[in-house]
Amino acid sequence: QEKVQQSPESLIVPEGAMVSLNCSFSDSASQSIWWYQQHPGKGPKALISIFSNGNKKEGRLTVYLNRASLHVSLHIKDSQPSDSAVYLCAVSMRGDSGGSNAKLTFGKGTKLSVKS
Amino acid sequence: AQTIHQWPVAEIKAVGSPLSLGCTIKGKSSPNLYWYWQATGGTLQQLFYSITVGQVESVVQLNLSASRPKDDQFILSTEKLLLSHSGFYLCAWSLRGEYAEQFFGPGTRLTVL
Repeated sequence: QEKVQQSPESLIVPEGAMVSLNCSFSDSASQSIWWYQQHPGKGPKALISIFSNGNKKEGRLTVYLNRASLHVSLHIKDSQPSDSAVYLCAVSMRGDSGGSNAKLTFGKGTKLSVKS
Repeated sequence: AQTIHQWPVAEIKAVGSPLSLGCTIKGKSSPNLYWYWQATGGTLQQLFYSITVGQVESVVQLNLSASRPKDDQFILSTEKLLLSHSGFYLCAWSLRGEYAEQFFGPGTRLTVL
């Protein structure tokens, strides 16, 4: 069964800092890796995903995937107080319906606080 | 635009009582539908998924059941609640396919006393 570990558990940074979040997973057959943002009492919202080894940049977000080391990281440039939330790493595997669905396995999350 | 609605927003129930939580998706036909559960301080876990009306597959056994009576509706239920059922229940939808993004609803907070 897929295991997803995130670090650190929590992080406090000043506004404008670069934030780095880490995620390790156990199954190299995973399809893609997703990063979700979740505010207290709300449903998670997808931020960015990556499938291939290497990096992908979208706005202030950059994600790096290394399948050999089963590691993915998310970097947030110029962090803002509005970025304060829990960040969830989710590994997507093919579901049991012959490719019609995906099974997401989530990590416990990293709680980010950005102080102004 | 697609909207996802969950009801109720919150519930406080007694151990042993029945439960029914609902989820409706508007603006998307034949979506994949999912139920997730998040214990307080715990990890988000997928409980059920459905790729079509009338078909629901269980992913994790928690003494809960799910049904999809209509294309846009997903119901989570149990006849007898346990203390361990407390937590945050989230419905999600996606397009068909193993690479599709999953979009989450606002959630239902359940407290079992």
